[in-house]
Amino acid sequence: DSGVTQTPKHLITATGQRVTLRCSPRSGDLSVYWYQQSLDQGLQFLIQYYNGEERAKGNILERFSAQQFPDLHSELNLSSLELGDSALYFCASSATSGGTDTQYFGPGTRLTVL
Amino acid sequence: GNSVTQMEGPVTLSEEAFLTINCTYTATGYPSLFWYVQYPGEGLQLLLKATKADDKGSNKGFEATYRKETTSFHLEKGSVQVSDSAVYFCALSNNDMRFGAGTRLTVKP
Repeated sequence: DSGVTQTPKHLITATGQRVTLRCSPRSGDLSVYWYQQSLDQGLQFLIQYYNGEERAKGNILERFSAQQFPDLHSELNLSSLELGDSALYFCASSATSGGTDTQYFGPGTRLTVL
Repeated sequence: GNSVTQMEGPVTLSEEAFLTINCTYTATGYPSLFWYVQYPGEGLQLLLKATKADDKGSNKGFEATYRKETTSFHLEKGSVQVSDSAVYFCALSNNDMRFGAGTRLTVKP
């Protein structure tokens, strides 16, 4: 158990809909990262938040947004969903924003868009 | 830009065989390098890391040495077990985290 929790575990929805994925980092960790894992694209970094502020942006679509709240939990919002958005979404956390920090991954949310 | 290239799988070995999974990287500056492992149905777990050139990361019998001259971070284990069956990801951190495509290892008894 990494200490990172993600809800829900599974999500099935339809094209055009909007969903919210939730992540609680390990106790004491200030950084939260979001990743998308799909068969064709592999593991892609989406975005990082550090202590409530956006820190780094990866391959995140404009239809996607995220935020980190004062209690440090984070939400990833996916809107106008397309079939290609079906994937595993992982959240990870680390103690600081440093590049040498170990990232601890949650179990993931499997999103299926029908 | 930063990128990681790792040996494509799948790799199938017999128990007690020697394992090597190749990983090379492209990066500016001095990235940190990682190997993560993903067991079926789970998230990624850190296996080992190295933060500077010539560092050797090791854990659970796995080792990898940060080679700046060859821009490599190959994963090795002398004697694999069935329980090592998983997907292995090489990654680098240099402002953001980049992962390789993953290598699926299956160890047969």
